[in-house]
Amino acid sequence: DGGITQSPKYLFRKEGQNVTLSCEQNLNHDAMYWYRQDPGQGLRLIYYSQIVNDFQKGDIAEGYSVSREKKESFPLTVTSAQKNPTAFYLCASSIGGGHAFFGQGTRLTVV
Amino acid sequence: AQSVTQPDIHITVSEGASLELRCNYSYGATPYLFWYVQSPGQGLQLLLKYFSGDTLVQGIKGFEAEFKRSQSSFNLRKPSVHWSDAAEYFCAVVLTGGGNKLTFGTGTQLKVEL
Repeated sequence: DGGITQSPKYLFRKEGQNVTLSCEQNLNHDAMYWYRQDPGQGLRLIYYSQIVNDFQKGDIAEGYSVSREKKESFPLTVTSAQKNPTAFYLCASSIGGGHAFFGQGTRLTVV
Repeated sequence: AQSVTQPDIHITVSEGASLELRCNYSYGATPYLFWYVQSPGQGLQLLLKYFSGDTLVQGIKGFEAEFKRSQSSFNLRKPSVHWSDAAEYFCAVVLTGGGNKLTFGTGTQLKVEL
């Protein structure tokens, strides 16, 4: 079945650690997105990519990094520079401009 | 600044009552418009979308939305709400020619009273 897969579902990070969230899609979509969701704030765009080897900062990119070496994969690294990383992270993909398909999310908690 | 506004944070309706969730956008051109629904701890599911043409669009689960250019609005409606419709609803836009940046509103939490 085609879809978008995020892993892990739950992730715990110690203070000062970098962690990487995985996002893989087999929909052959060119565009991929990362969002952060906090209660009452909706989905805020972290990074997005329209094509392999290219990506753009979203509205809250500070403390995050991404790569897009393959069309199918768009991993997100939450660096130690992100001071408040506890949140629900959602990855999405689309045929540029069309409606987005979402993964089931990763809940990141700082311990 | 370009933005998407959902003015209602929480809405409570009785089962069987009608529903309207509001969405306004502030872009110079007409964007592509979407409504998504999210159950707790899950990803988002597309309810419906508007690209062009007929301004009244039908979606899944009995939802519809009407695009009104003059009001920069794209409100979601359902004639009769079911208890299973309780969820969070998000309006989203893609600005055409804007690099396909997909921007969401802050969401409306729907509670359904039995």
